[in-house]
Amino acid sequence: QKEVEQNSGPLSVPEGAIASLNCTYSDRVSQSFFWYRQYSGKSPELIMSIYSNGDKEDGRFTAQLNKASQYVSLLIRDSQPSDSATYLCAVNLNTGFQKLVFGTGTRLLVSP
Amino acid sequence: DAGVTQSPTHLIKTRGQQVTLRCSPKSGHDTVSWYQQALGQGPQFIFQYYEEEERQRGNFPDRFSGHQFPNYSSELNVNALLLGDSALYLCASRQQGFDFIPGELFFGEGSRLTVL
Repeated sequence: QKEVEQNSGPLSVPEGAIASLNCTYSDRVSQSFFWYRQYSGKSPELIMSIYSNGDKEDGRFTAQLNKASQYVSLLIRDSQPSDSATYLCAVNLNTGFQKLVFGTGTRLLVSP
Repeated sequence: DAGVTQSPTHLIKTRGQQVTLRCSPKSGHDTVSWYQQALGQGPQFIFQYYEEEERQRGNFPDRFSGHQFPNYSSELNVNALLLGDSALYLCASRQQGFDFIPGELFFGEGSRLTVL
């Protein structure tokens, strides 16, 4: 079982719709969870972090965490074509070090 | 304020050769991590350097080694290159402090290595 699993997609949504990206992780002691956005040919960029159960909102982005189900999600409201990218879920294992374990990423395509 | 800078941006090597990749962290950052990203995959942690020492290592063979200099810059060395080493190598830095609370990682644009 992979440590962090994501559907590779592509996930296609029309402009203005809500995009829902999901991620599951295997290590129950994981403490910190991140969503990175990576445009084609570019480096990953942090867009959201979440540490406790529940929702965390930042602009059009909402991260949701359910530690009991070992599940993290990212909602993008009012999706724009510029949101088209690969979204990487990352988990910081409770090792005391800054070691992020990434999923393979979900490719999001927002059509005009 | 310069972000994380990496060099070279692209390079081509042949099997068995050795390669050195370089990284300068963002100003004010003292911890550097290296990640390998194969095509279509997420980044995989190679190792992390702080205070010129390797602090944590991922599941990579000893062919992968690194170094951190007093100015916090870092090098990644790969010996005896294999075709499977072809990937984007990302350097990431973080703010000062080496503690249990993860901070934001700032990634460089990467060095794309092709092994023929």
